[in-house]
Amino acid sequence: KQEVTQIPAALSVPEGENLVLNCSFTDSAIYNLQWFRQDPGKGLTSLLLIQSSQREQTSGRLNASLDKSSGRSTLYIAASQPGDSATYLCAGSTNDYKLSFGAGTTVTVRA
Amino acid sequence: SAVISQKPSRDICQRGTSLTIQCQVDSQVTMMFWYRQQPGQSLTLIATANQGSEATYESGFVIDKFPISRPNLTFSTLTVSNMSPEDSSIYLCSSPGPGNTIYFGEGSWLTVV
Repeated sequence: KQEVTQIPAALSVPEGENLVLNCSFTDSAIYNLQWFRQDPGKGLTSLLLIQSSQREQTSGRLNASLDKSSGRSTLYIAASQPGDSATYLCAGSTNDYKLSFGAGTTVTVRA
Repeated sequence: SAVISQKPSRDICQRGTSLTIQCQVDSQVTMMFWYRQQPGQSLTLIATANQGSEATYESGFVIDKFPISRPNLTFSTLTVSNMSPEDSSIYLCSSPGPGNTIYFGEGSWLTVV
């Protein structure tokens, strides 16, 4: 069974600083690695998907990397803004699309 | 992207009653999933909703407590039966969309009193 760990559990940074969120997983046979954002009282918004054959994905200020051999993924958010404050979840999927989630990193960006 | 709608968005339920949550996807999909997020926790997969056959449940979840229907390729329901305060959670429906990205509905927030 895939186990997913996210470190740190919480992070508080001043506006403008770059964010680095870490995710580790136990099963290197991961199919896809997906990062989500969850705002308080809301559902999940997909940020980036990295397929198992890829090493990274980028979207605007977001960049996510995947290293299957070490069982790690990192989400970078450049030049953070107060609107980036949310909980960020990483999830590994099997080839039948079942997701195993980490506990999340709660980010606060201070204005 | 796939658009997934859930109803109800929130509800307060009496102990011992049952509630059915609906999930509608804007296109035909092969696979639909139900997750639970208990307060302060991450998401846990309850079951896979299979069209035309019984749902497949994950360890710790049983059909008597969480019956699921999947009458067609765009719709599924999850019933939370004989509710107790421990069932107070967010229940989320998901499905793979374009490019294998997995999309979620906004969730159904249940409080059992």
